[in-house]
Amino acid sequence: GQQLNQSPQSMFIQEGEDVSMNCTSSSIFNTWLWYKQDPGEGPVLLIALYKAGELTSNGRLTAQFGITRKDSFLNISASIPSDVGIYFCAGPLTYNNNDMRFGAGTRLTVKP
Amino acid sequence: GAGVSQSPRYKVAKRGQDVALRCDPISGHVSLFWYQQALGQGPEFLTYFQNEAQLDKSGLPSDRFFAERPEGSVSTLKIQRTQQEDSAVYLCASSLETGGEPAYGYTFGSGTRLTVV
Repeated sequence: GQQLNQSPQSMFIQEGEDVSMNCTSSSIFNTWLWYKQDPGEGPVLLIALYKAGELTSNGRLTAQFGITRKDSFLNISASIPSDVGIYFCAGPLTYNNNDMRFGAGTRLTVKP
Repeated sequence: GAGVSQSPRYKVAKRGQDVALRCDPISGHVSLFWYQQALGQGPEFLTYFQNEAQLDKSGLPSDRFFAERPEGSVSTLKIQRTQQEDSAVYLCASSLETGGEPAYGYTFGSGTRLTVV
């Protein structure tokens, strides 16, 4: 089962608004990844975080690796319609990354 | 090819039927992963190959699930005697890394949506 808890489950926002979603775990992760999945497609990697406390940006996206290594957040600024999709956090349970665990996702809807 | 290719895109199977799902990874990618994604859920790990060796099959839900990658490139996920609970999207991912590396190299295919009726 899922060991990563994502919130909120879904969000409905207006174009131009900022978005924040997070992910928590009862286990420590050494890597946190954020993916986006469009309908009918596989997940695409957005941001990867490798150190506790790390803050990384990718365009309008910013993500942080929590100090406790048990949480991460993803912010999207000035949302646009193409931001619609499902956002997953993920992390490997083991160092060799073979067993990637995913959260259940946050479904984002952006109204023009 | 340029990306990970999966076929078929959609498969409808009658309960009890055997199915085979194919994954063509990116050329030269050493690692290959299969995931199962139920409706409204995130992907769940099934199995992992490094070249032709299946190094981890801990996520396979039952012995009806079998995966192979005989020549270290194309992989097939086979499900025997399909049940309704097998209905899901089956995602394949490949990676250049061999493990012990940062997990930024995953590339997912578009998946095969299996519906068991």
